[in-house]
Amino acid sequence: QSVLTQPPSVSGAPGQRVTISCTGSSSNIVARYGVHWYQHLPGTAPKLLIYGNTNRPSGVPDRFSGSKSGTSASLAITGLQAEDEADYHCQSYDSSLSVVFGGGTKLTVL
Amino acid sequence: EVQLLESGGGLVQPGGSLRLSCAASGFTFSSYAMSWVRQAPGKGLEWVSAIVGSGGNTYYADSVKGRFTVSRDNSKNTLYLQMNSLRAEDTAIYYCAKESGDYGPNHFDYWGQGTLVTVSS
Repeated sequence: QSVLTQPPSVSGAPGQRVTISCTGSSSNIVARYGVHWYQHLPGTAPKLLIYGNTNRPSGVPDRFSGSKSGTSASLAITGLQAEDEADYHCQSYDSSLSVVFGGGTKLTVL
Repeated sequence: EVQLLESGGGLVQPGGSLRLSCAASGFTFSSYAMSWVRQAPGKGLEWVSAIVGSGGNTYYADSVKGRFTVSRDNSKNTLYLQMNSLRAEDTAIYYCAKESGDYGPNHFDYWGQGTLVTVSS
């Protein structure tokens, strides 16, 4: 059981908006340490999408946005494109300051 | 441009050893913590180990503690992972990742392409 819980899969049609949730099993994980998001296409290097809940590194399109509410964080993708089809992983820290990842969410663009 | 290039993966028998390397370029290597993260077939990402910029502090996941050793050579801009007493469940793609700072909590701002480790008889 992951310390961070993500839905195994989400899907959407091109142009639509999808959201991926990341819920902490402990009430203070997301609140205390924040959540980061990575995009991963199989066979390639994972890519940082969002850091510190809401911040986008330079070069990441503004179609990608992050938010946090209570014990959960979310990644939203608007104007869905075929190239967005990938696995998305959230990351934070547990109470012993060990890195923890969610189980990952596979995004399918219909 | 930041580049991370892993090497050293391969097929090894259970109980065997393997040493992974990660050659880094494009940033001041000694100023940043580095981590190893793996992904087993069909599974999510799992953090394995981390080392601070000076090499003076190291951290391990419980699943590898006592079997894996992380180290770095800042003169060669290279990160290492010595893996001993390998088990079938260690089979995974191993990624090296640059952390966003030295001591954490950090995020991983750059990743390598990964190297495949297969533990099987």
